Amino acid sequence: DIVMTQSPDSLAVSLGERATINCKSNQSLLYSSNNKNYLGWYQQKPGQPPKLLIYWASTRESGVPDRFSGSGSGTDFTLTISSLQAEDVAVYYCQQYYSTPPSFGQGTKLEIK
Amino acid sequence: QVQLQESGPGLGKPSETLSLTCAVSGYSISSAYHWGWIRQPPGKGLEWIGSMYHSGNTYYNPSLKSRVTISLETSKNQFSLRLSSVTAADTAVYYCAKYRTGGTVYDAFDIWGQGTLVTVSS
Repeated sequence: DIVMTQSPDSLAVSLGERATINCKSNQSLLYSSNNKNYLGWYQQKPGQPPKLLIYWASTRESGVPDRFSGSGSGTDFTLTISSLQAEDVAVYYCQQYYSTPPSFGQGTKLEIK
Repeated sequence: QVQLQESGPGLGKPSETLSLTCAVSGYSISSAYHWGWIRQPPGKGLEWIGSMYHSGNTYYNPSLKSRVTISLETSKNQFSLRLSSVTAADTAVYYCAKYRTGGTVYDAFDIWGQGTLVTVSS
């Protein structure tokens, strides 16, 4: 099974500042035949289900603000929030769907400093 | 607009079988897409349980495979999860979810139900 590890476990950022969350997999998530990274990012607010933000490592889901961006390839990925807003306080998860079973990182809790 | 809603008993006893249903609206589950179950123990991370395609193909997490059954009820446009021999470790919020792209399990989950908390306790 593929193991996903996020860092840091928690993060406090000032409003308007950049927030960066990292995700590492123990196997490459890059499928050579289509050059796609099988990696998604989710946002989960208290009492709510996860919400898909990013898929294919860098494609923003429809309706997601453009301050959210994903980058990386292979085994190392990053979710960046360019200018933190109060409504971005949440836990963020990465997920690999390169192989079954799909697996999630342990989550990164993002708070306001 | 596709919507999912989980339902089922909120409390179960150890060794019993947990049964949950996910009602789908806005789309026919017999048309396309894989449909899955994911769970989240209180205060913890997400664990994929399994998924099913309208053709009947199922995929289960090896860690739960011996205890899990996922089935479609196309006449009611819903799909179900059965988890047998439950213990306190199965206490979690159970989510049903839709895969983003039709015809593959190698994709993200784009639509989730609100989740239902199941507590296993004697």
